[in-house]
Amino acid sequence: AQKITQTQPGMFVQEKEAVTLDCTYDTSDPSYGLFWYKQPSSGEMIFLIYQGSYDQQNATEGRYSLNFQKARKSANLVISASQLGDSAMYFCAMREVSGGSYIPTFGRGTSLIVHP
Amino acid sequence: NAGVMQNPRHLVRRRGQEARLRCSPMKGHSHVYWYRQLPEEGLKFMVYLQKENIIDESGMPKERFSAEFPKEGPSILRIQQVVRGDSAAYFCASSPELRANYGYTFGSGTRLTVV
Repeated sequence: AQKITQTQPGMFVQEKEAVTLDCTYDTSDPSYGLFWYKQPSSGEMIFLIYQGSYDQQNATEGRYSLNFQKARKSANLVISASQLGDSAMYFCAMREVSGGSYIPTFGRGTSLIVHP
Repeated sequence: NAGVMQNPRHLVRRRGQEARLRCSPMKGHSHVYWYRQLPEEGLKFMVYLQKENIIDESGMPKERFSAEFPKEGPSILRIQQVVRGDSAAYFCASSPELRANYGYTFGSGTRLTVV
């Protein structure tokens, strides 16, 4: 079974508008972390934002925020005021604490294209 | 403070040759993770190492693939007798310790092409 599901293979947004990238996860571990990474066309993986399962508030980092809905097991990334440089692949990942290895599992990614 | 360094950035090997991919973690980081990314797919975990120890290799193919992280020097991912299906981007990530809330730092990856 997929632990991380990103249902949107591709998304388009107009520059300066907000966009939401979906991510749902599956775990029975009460303690886990959720991450988003950006992969531009140059190929590197850039860490964007983190949300812990026990965090009471949604995480925010500049124009990035994570809409964490624990009961629905969703961790959507919201990018406000999109910029052309936001065009990239975006990956959601989860790290479970049980077992002790802390190895993140990644989704298949969503391709975001920002139009001028 | 240099990030995670991977080299080479691009590697071309003929079928049957060996590929050696290197990863130098960030200074102070003692945990290294290797991932493989096939075209149009997400990252798949391969192996997790600490200095001189393989902690989890559950994602590593049983044959032809090996990894090490010696006391001195970079971590090495070795692929023997490469085949076309090994063509992929290989990423290395590092972290200073086991912390669930730590966002790994990734290298820029090595793109392996088998011809």
